[in-house]
Amino acid sequence: EAGVAQSPRYKIIEKRQSVAFWCNPISGHATLYWYQQILGQGPKLLIQFQNNGVVDDSQLPKDRFSAERLKGVDSTLKIQPAKLEDSAVYLCASTLGTLHGNEQFFGPGTRLTVL
Amino acid sequence: SQQGEEDPQALSIQEGENATMNCSYKTSINNLQWYRQNSGRGLVHLILIRSNEREKHSGRLRVTLDTSKKSSSLLITASRAADTASYFCATVASINDMRFGAGTRLTVKP
Repeated sequence: EAGVAQSPRYKIIEKRQSVAFWCNPISGHATLYWYQQILGQGPKLLIQFQNNGVVDDSQLPKDRFSAERLKGVDSTLKIQPAKLEDSAVYLCASTLGTLHGNEQFFGPGTRLTVL
Repeated sequence: SQQGEEDPQALSIQEGENATMNCSYKTSINNLQWYRQNSGRGLVHLILIRSNEREKHSGRLRVTLDTSKKSSSLLITASRAADTASYFCATVASINDMRFGAGTRLTVKP
């Protein structure tokens, strides 16, 4: 079974530039998550999709971050404009259904460095 | 904000020894999960324990949950160098609320 795919794996940009990350979840997984993991910390949920609808985006900095999952499959996360404190690993995860705390399957992440 | 807090932050042991990591949390939960993260990789699910369970086993892993103390522990027995990784607990309070702790960095020396 193919896992969660993410690209790019690494990205280096200057502050105030824009950047976009892509995620393709496991086939058939209805729920998709984007996390931000700052070095030395645990993942922090940014946004959760159920099919193509947003379930929770309470911790997404909406002035600069946006995400979409138009066809209920793959998803993109965008930062515009980036700040130094956005340097982190951005993880995408998916789960099969919507039951309480289903096991989440994670992609390898995209490491973003903002200079 | 993070709910679970792992203890210790870092742990270094010799191969063959047991490793114990603890997780404390503040609010009521539906279940608690443990994940492993190797350097530069995504997280891998290890085990899930529900709030009405006290102990679960999976291979060399043993997880306990004490809801009265709001704490959980992960025991890895007969550790191997390949167990070197960061271990995170994640508390699930509701369907939309899964929060990770800061993790324990485990180093197993060959």
